[in-house]
Amino acid sequence: KAGVTQTPRYLIKTRGQQVTLSCSPISGHRSVSWYQQTPGQGLQFLFEYFSETQRNKGNFPGRFSGRQFSNSRSEMNVSTLELGDSALYLCASRGGQGLSDTQYFGPGTRLTVL
Amino acid sequence: AQSVTQLGSHVSVSEGALVLLRCNYSSSVPPYLFWYVQYPNQGLQLLLKYTSAATLVKGINGFEAEFKKSETSFHLTKPSAHMSDAAEYFCAVILYNNNDMRFGAGTRLTVKP
Repeated sequence: KAGVTQTPRYLIKTRGQQVTLSCSPISGHRSVSWYQQTPGQGLQFLFEYFSETQRNKGNFPGRFSGRQFSNSRSEMNVSTLELGDSALYLCASRGGQGLSDTQYFGPGTRLTVL
Repeated sequence: AQSVTQLGSHVSVSEGALVLLRCNYSSSVPPYLFWYVQYPNQGLQLLLKYTSAATLVKGINGFEAEFKKSETSFHLTKPSAHMSDAAEYFCAVILYNNNDMRFGAGTRLTVKP
């Protein structure tokens, strides 16, 4: 099976712009979670989608949003970019709904905001 | 509130030496616990997980971790370090009352020849 894929791998934007990141989960996986990784704050949970519904949300401002499509692919959008949004954005998928089900991570999208 | 704490942001060992990376969680109910490894410019790879079965969990690449409820710990060990083990290691927890995964700050492991 192919792993979790994320596109693009690298992105450079300027302040005020918006950006959309894409994640394709492992085939058959219906849960997709997004995380932000920065040197200062570490790994922080953004949100999780399951069967096109947001199931859980972390403590991020409303500029961060996401959605999931019927084929389980997910997109994350950040509007009005700020310098502090520069980070590695990781997507993870899992096959079941159980809390202990393993999450498989993609390679991430590195976003740089200038 | 901090759910998981990793003691030591940097650990350096010699090749062949014991690797010990520390992780403590804060929860009155034993959560699900995970160890992930991240190599440069890559995503996270699961090493092992604790799901309330055996307290000693064996993972990939020779790593193992022991869940100790009395100490609220889940330390990661490997008997003999290899150069390829150099990476960043993250301990993570999922609490029963919350579906999101919370990560520790990470420990960067350096292996000296």
